[in-house]
Amino acid sequence: DGGITQSPKYLFRKEGQNVTLSCEQNLNHDAMYWYRQDPGQGLRLIYYSQIVNDFQKGDIAEGYSVSREKKESFPLTVTSAQKNPTAFYLCASKTGGNEKLFFGSGTQLSVL
Amino acid sequence: QQQVKQSPQSLIVQKGGISIINCAYENTAFDYFPWYQQFPGKGPALLIAIRPDVSEKKEGRFTISFNKSAKQFSLHIMDSQPGDSATYFCAASRAGRRALTFGSGTRLQVQP
Repeated sequence: DGGITQSPKYLFRKEGQNVTLSCEQNLNHDAMYWYRQDPGQGLRLIYYSQIVNDFQKGDIAEGYSVSREKKESFPLTVTSAQKNPTAFYLCASKTGGNEKLFFGSGTQLSVL
Repeated sequence: QQQVKQSPQSLIVQKGGISIINCAYENTAFDYFPWYQQFPGKGPALLIAIRPDVSEKKEGRFTISFNKSAKQFSLHIMDSQPGDSATYFCAASRAGRRALTFGSGTRLQVQP
């Protein structure tokens, strides 16, 4: 089945620790996105990438980092600089010329 | 700056009733207005979308009404069903520009 796979589904972070969220797509989409979802705040854009080896900051990039070494993969690292990381993280992708955004099932990150 | 404002935050409707969710936007350059539906623990999925050259778009029980002069658009769910219980997000984007800007979400509960 074609789609977007996010892993793990649940993740716990200790104080001062960096953690990486995985996002893989087999839709052959060029653009990939990371959103953060907090209750009552909708989805906020963290980073996006429109092509391999290129990415741009979104509205809330501080404390996060990404890489795009392969078309299929767009991992997100939540660094220790992100002081309030508890949230539901959503990865999405779309193909050029089509506005429809496809989402993965998300990763719930919590702080121990 | 919240570019897309969504209301109400939550909504309870009886089975068979009409659910109405409203959104207002500020950026007149926006030219694509989708609605996404999200079930608990899942990523959002595109429900219906409209462009500003039309005032209404209908797909089954779901209708978008668009008022360009007022910079508002709304989602109407006719004959609401318990299976429609979910969180709904409006969004907006500008052609060729980075990513969707989402509203804060509306949690809809349809009572049997």
